[in-house]
Amino acid sequence: GIQVEQSPPDLILQEGANSTLRCNFSDSVNNLQWFHQNPWGQLINLFYIPSGTKQNGRLSATTVATERYSLLYISSSQTTDSGVYFCAVDNYGQNFVFGPGTRLSVLP
Amino acid sequence: KAGVTQTPRYLIKTRGQQVTLSCSPISGHRSVSWYQQTPGQGLQFLFEYFSETQRNKGNFPGRFSGRQFSNSRSEMNVSTLELGDSALYLCASKALNTEAFFGQGTRLTVV
Repeated sequence: GIQVEQSPPDLILQEGANSTLRCNFSDSVNNLQWFHQNPWGQLINLFYIPSGTKQNGRLSATTVATERYSLLYISSSQTTDSGVYFCAVDNYGQNFVFGPGTRLSVLP
Repeated sequence: KAGVTQTPRYLIKTRGQQVTLSCSPISGHRSVSWYQQTPGQGLQFLFEYFSETQRNKGNFPGRFSGRQFSNSRSEMNVSTLELGDSALYLCASKALNTEAFFGQGTRLTVV
């Protein structure tokens, strides 16, 4: 089945810094989403981005489907951005395969 | 527009018991999927239902089962609970060719 890798596994930033999270996948996909898992466990939707570029405030994402990777950019990070970020892909199987996540800690 | 609702939020059960978790999808969404999250295995797919039919199943033992009702609400059942079944169980709801939305999850502890 499809494999999903995320890097880095852990990231520590000072408030105000920028960061880039990467997701690599091993096969073509028809759906790719980025999620932020809050401290209570809920997965919060960030982007639905099987291809192209999207922006939402301080966050933006780019997926290059032909090269099988996606990037999540966080600018001017805030302490509330802390948590685990997951990339999830669906390669036409009606279910997600999740990456292992990137744990982000933003220090005040 | 109401989101995905999972009940209960927290559950403590004893080994050998069975448990039923519920998921009400976003109105109009006919696909409901279930995932298990543990520290060791990460987020793993359990099964997916569409219009009351199981379309896809992950690699879990037969003790894990589910169903979907005509109103798209779904339940999953775990029988003969084991300590290793302690996990966060997440449900996702989706319309055709659109993004999926997750509920808040049910945190199951088996003692």
